[in-house]
Amino acid sequence: DAGVTQSPTHLIKTRGQQVTLRCSPKSGHDTVSWYQQALGQGPQFIFQYYEEEERQRGNFPDRFSGHQFPNYSSELNVNALLLGDSALYLCASSQPVRALNEQFFGPGTRLTVL
Amino acid sequence: KQEVTQIPAALSVPEGENLVLNCSFTDSAIYNLQWFRQDPGKGLTSLLLIQSSQREQTSGRLNASLDKSSGRSTLYIAASQPGDSATYLCAAPLGGSEKLVFGKGTKLTVNP
Repeated sequence: DAGVTQSPTHLIKTRGQQVTLRCSPKSGHDTVSWYQQALGQGPQFIFQYYEEEERQRGNFPDRFSGHQFPNYSSELNVNALLLGDSALYLCASSQPVRALNEQFFGPGTRLTVL
Repeated sequence: KQEVTQIPAALSVPEGENLVLNCSFTDSAIYNLQWFRQDPGKGLTSLLLIQSSQREQTSGRLNASLDKSSGRSTLYIAASQPGDSATYLCAAPLGGSEKLVFGKGTKLTVNP
């Protein structure tokens, strides 16, 4: 079991550019959530995808968008990058069984905006 | 506002010591709580998940407890080792949502 995988590992962009981050969930999982973690802070929920639809969204602007594919993998897109978007972006996968909902995280993508 | 708070923010202990990390949350109706470990610059490793029907969960030297009525969870680490040095985060799905709300974490340093 490969667990949750994310690509790329690191990314450097300049202000105003656009970026796409990718995530493959743990085998058997069909729900993918994205989180942003600034330095020294806990992760903040961006959104969650299930059955190729955005099911929940956190307090992030429309510049942040996503997609889920039929194989359950997911992409996070950020447009018009700001310096404040520099963070570790984490993907988590889970099964939609409410009583458990144990979330498994990937290694993250470190985004630096210059 | 639904919040998760972790105290202390940082902890330094000598090797072999038993220690307790604290987590408090504002929603007594949570259905589970997770503890994670994070090494510098890395992703999160799930340590323990406690369901609302449980009061404790154990894995090796780790023991986590959950008291929904008081809004508290603790992570007990027995016989700490230098390899336990990391940031420990607790998170729970608050407000009936499935999204996890995280504390800021406790940075643990175990000195040889």
